[in-house]
Amino acid sequence: AQSVTQLDSHVSVSEGTPVLLRCNYSSSYSPSLFWYVQHPNKGLQLLLKYTSAATLVKGINGFEAEFKKSETSFHLTKPSAHMSDAAEYFCVVSEGGSNYKLTFGKGTLLTVNP
Amino acid sequence: GAGVSQSPSNKVTEKGKDVELRCDPISGHTALYWYRQSLGQGLEFLIYFQGNSAPDKSGLPSDRFSAERTGGSVSTLTIQRTQQEDSAVYLCASSLWGSGAYEQYFGPGTRLTVT
Repeated sequence: AQSVTQLDSHVSVSEGTPVLLRCNYSSSYSPSLFWYVQHPNKGLQLLLKYTSAATLVKGINGFEAEFKKSETSFHLTKPSAHMSDAAEYFCVVSEGGSNYKLTFGKGTLLTVNP
Repeated sequence: GAGVSQSPSNKVTEKGKDVELRCDPISGHTALYWYRQSLGQGLEFLIYFQGNSAPDKSGLPSDRFSAERTGGSVSTLTIQRTQQEDSAVYLCASSLWGSGAYEQYFGPGTRLTVT
């Protein structure tokens, strides 16, 4: 069975400072990993995905994530936060043989302070 | 192009009534998925369709929940005899299908409130 743990339910940063959202996963098979973002009253949007190619994955809006198999982690980072980054972020896993079934973490609410 | 659309955007119903939620996927997407987002449970997978078939219904919480898809396009999620614990946002997504992990595109959701 697959599972995802987002280590922080809430992260608060100042505009212009780095962002780190932490995610650990558990999977019996070769996983695919995703980060989705959900802005208030908006639908979920894919930020980036890892599917066994390069371990450092670049996404939209300057976000990137690194797949570390030895640590079973897939942390999301951004060098400099912008006010528009304030949203809820979900780390998501799907197992290689059943990539249709997404398992979501509980989410991390990112607050960006001016 | 048009994204995934869902209707209604909001639905308030009385306990015990039946409700139908509709999803229009992106044209050409053969796979369609239903999820539920609630405060207590987070985002949960309910069911997915490949074409008109539903190979995996394992996430449906009870036999009061059912879903169908017709013409490989529109899908309807039906909840019979609604209960207060059914209150949640119901999200639909669609994707291409094949080997590899295709991105699932999500609709805006239907917020269901059972009073």
